[in-house]
Amino acid sequence: KNEVEQSPQNLTAQEGEFITINCSYSVGISALHWLQQHPGGGIVSLFMLSSGKKKHGRLIATINIQEKHSSLHITASHPRDSAVYICAVRGGSQGNLIFGKGTKLSVKP
Amino acid sequence: AAGVIQSPRHLIKEKRETATLKCYPIPRHDTVYWYQQGPGQDPQFLISFYEKMQSDKGSIPDRFSAQQFSDYHSELNMSSLELGDSALYFCASSFRRAYEQYFGPGTRLTVT
Repeated sequence: KNEVEQSPQNLTAQEGEFITINCSYSVGISALHWLQQHPGGGIVSLFMLSSGKKKHGRLIATINIQEKHSSLHITASHPRDSAVYICAVRGGSQGNLIFGKGTKLSVKP
Repeated sequence: AAGVIQSPRHLIKEKRETATLKCYPIPRHDTVYWYQQGPGQDPQFLISFYEKMQSDKGSIPDRFSAQQFSDYHSELNMSSLELGDSALYFCASSFRRAYEQYFGPGTRLTVT
């Protein structure tokens, strides 16, 4: 079993829809990251969370430490949101990240 | 704002050759991480450095070595390249290990 599980693996939405991507982890963590990767490879950090909720524009990330679960929400989705969204956790004092397998999002106009 | 710089962006090598990948962290960042992402795979942690010392080691093959220099840039040296080393190699930097990591654009290595 992977230490970081994401669902769904693939997601197709219509423009304007509300999107939720889920992440569950089985290890103790000091922080959780949500990352975005576009075709061609570049990775952009969207959020780093250790508790509660963060919002940036149309993106909202929440984390429940007790349940070892995080969600990434996209409101009013747009075709430019199409990308792979990756959940990654940082365990303990080690800074390195353990990655989930990503959720491939496609938003249709 | 300055971002993480990686060079080269693309590299083509033949089997058994060597390759050197470079990473220049964001100014004042003292921690560098290297990750490898194979085709269709999630990134895997290779190695990290904090204040010019190796901090943690992941799934880095013995054929690979890395170091962080006095100006905090880091180099990943890869020898006896194999076809399976073809991947996207990311570098990330942070200020201390507890803070957010910022990723470079990656170096796409193709071994033929």
